[in-house]
Amino acid sequence: DIQMTQSPSSLSASVGDRVTITCRASQSISSYLNWYQQKPGKAPKLLIYAASSLQSGVPSRFSGSGSGTDFTLTISSLQPEDFATYYCQQSYSTLVYTFGQGTKLEIK
Amino acid sequence: QLQLQESGSGLVKPSQTLSLTCAVSGGSISSGGYSWSWIRQPPGKGLEWIGYIYHSGSTYYNPSLKSRVTISVDRSKNQFSLKLSSVTAADTAVYYCARDREAALDYWGQGTLVTVSS
Repeated sequence: DIQMTQSPSSLSASVGDRVTITCRASQSISSYLNWYQQKPGKAPKLLIYAASSLQSGVPSRFSGSGSGTDFTLTISSLQPEDFATYYCQQSYSTLVYTFGQGTKLEIK
Repeated sequence: QLQLQESGSGLVKPSQTLSLTCAVSGGSISSGGYSWSWIRQPPGKGLEWIGYIYHSGSTYYNPSLKSRVTISVDRSKNQFSLKLSSVTAADTAVYYCARDREAALDYWGQGTLVTVSS
């Protein structure tokens, strides 16, 4: 299986901050990388697909980059509603999708 | 607007079979180009992909669960289902269904908690 490792596991930041979350794959996955946001008690929400494409309806302060094994999710200016847990997911291997362990973004 | 809704037993005894259904509304489950997934999340933990079924009916399962999982589709009811056999406490989780559009899970159900306990 392709292993996905996110860093950091948790992060404290303030409204207005620029935040970057990293996801590393155990082998090259080209651009088959998606990012999700999950709030407590809710289903995950797709933010970014194919490493850098913004899902319809998602604010432009979210952006994704990377290819191969290293990827980043950036929030350009944190808003109160952005405090949540973020997951990366590889879809390069259609035989088994795998998720990162999650990054919990908390208010400082 | 596409909507997905999970339903099924919230309490399953150890060694029995967990059965869940995902009803799809606002679109046809037979539409080409999509597959339909199940994902689970143990309390306080991360996400685990269980498997998916293509619109053609082909299925793919997580190797770690493959021997116990069956995903099927009922086109007449516009829904798909999950069966997980021989459950243990480790299978206690919130189970989500989702639509897979070009390898990204773009629509999700709200999730349903399944507890395995005697």
